[in-house]
Amino acid sequence: DAGVIQSPRHEVTEMGQEVTLRCKPISGHDYLFWYRQTMMRGLELLIYFNNNVPIDDSGMPEDRFSAKMPNASFSTLKIQPSEPRDSAVYFCASSLGSGRAEKLFFGSGTQLSVL
Amino acid sequence: GQNIDQPTEMTATEGAIVQINCTYQTSGFNGLFWYQQHAGEAPTFLSYNVLDGLEEKGRFSSFLSRSKGYSYLLLKELQMKDSASYLCALPKAAGNKLTFGGGTRVLVKP
Repeated sequence: DAGVIQSPRHEVTEMGQEVTLRCKPISGHDYLFWYRQTMMRGLELLIYFNNNVPIDDSGMPEDRFSAKMPNASFSTLKIQPSEPRDSAVYFCASSLGSGRAEKLFFGSGTQLSVL
Repeated sequence: GQNIDQPTEMTATEGAIVQINCTYQTSGFNGLFWYQQHAGEAPTFLSYNVLDGLEEKGRFSSFLSRSKGYSYLLLKELQMKDSASYLCALPKAAGNKLTFGGGTRVLVKP
């Protein structure tokens, strides 16, 4: 299996622009998570999906952030408009099943820089 | 809610042993994870503990004490490639939602 695939690996944009991050989870995994990592705040959960349905978006910082999962093999995280404080590494992860011991498989992340 | 505390950084010598502590507070305990994250890379799973005691997996071992809200990750026979951040994480009851600690950056010196 190719693992969780994210694109792009790096994104540099200017403040006010729209940014779209993409993720393909591992085939057969029922859960998909979007995390953000910064030096100051560590790894934070933004939103997660179960069977393509958003379950908990309490970590989404504000209305500028939105996420979709139109099918089992694709998800997007969109920031519109982007701001410099959104600069971070954004990770997508997937897991199989709902057991508490289920481990997460992370993608390589998208390094976002908003100038 | 959940709260996780880990030291920010540790330094150790190649071939030595390092113990990374994690203390936590949670309203409902559903086990504890350790993940490893090399600089510029994604976190990868190391271990999961739900019962008290020590679980050994090669050079890495993880210990849990539920009554004390305490876990540690023990790295033996340190190698240069073990230089990384080690993240302690707690799952919520449903949906595999993980809360991560800030991570401990371990630097292995020759």
